[in-house]
Amino acid sequence: AQSVAQPEDQVNVAEGNPLTVKCTYSVSGNPYLFWYVQYPNRGLQFLLKYITGDNLVKGSYGFEAEFNKSQTSFHLKKPSALVSDSALYFCAVHGSGNTGKLIFGQGTTLQVKP
Amino acid sequence: SQTIHQWPATLVQPVGSPLSLECTVEGTSNPNLYWYRQAAGRGLQLLFYSVGIGQISSEVPQNLSASRPQDRQFILSSKKLLLSDSGFYLCAWSVPASEQFFGPGTRLTVL
Repeated sequence: AQSVAQPEDQVNVAEGNPLTVKCTYSVSGNPYLFWYVQYPNRGLQFLLKYITGDNLVKGSYGFEAEFNKSQTSFHLKKPSALVSDSALYFCAVHGSGNTGKLIFGQGTTLQVKP
Repeated sequence: SQTIHQWPATLVQPVGSPLSLECTVEGTSNPNLYWYRQAAGRGLQLLFYSVGIGQISSEVPQNLSASRPQDRQFILSSKKLLLSDSGFYLCAWSVPASEQFFGPGTRLTVL
């Protein structure tokens, strides 16, 4: 069965420091992977995706993610965190078939302190 | 460009009352549509999805139903709300094998 795991409920980082939010996946076949961000009482915003090609994917707001097939990981990264990056982050993998269903991780709260 | 609308933004309803939440998409045709519920600001639970008009798939048995009367309209309903129906309801759309785009959500409180 396909699944996504975000092992950390919360990540704390100081402003200006690099950040990493972890995601591992389990799928059959080639994975389509996504990252979303959610601010309080808002819908999810799409950050970036990996479908094929370069393992390092660049997305919105300076975020990037590295696809690692051998480790089945797709960690979200940013070189220098901002206080405004504080939010809830979701990793997702595309399910099987043509329904477009996504399987989401449980989410990781990122807290960036000034 | 594509946009997705949800209304109302917030709703407070008594137990046993009916529910109708509406989602509409602009700027695309024949999208896949999805309803999610999010409890306590954490994980997303997929409730229903639709790949075409009148085609509804339910992910979990519950007190809710969904309908798609038009290509870009997706409605979430209940005949009688339960306390456990409280939550943040999100609508999303996609084309197959691509990212989903989410609406702003509806905060439902059942008292």
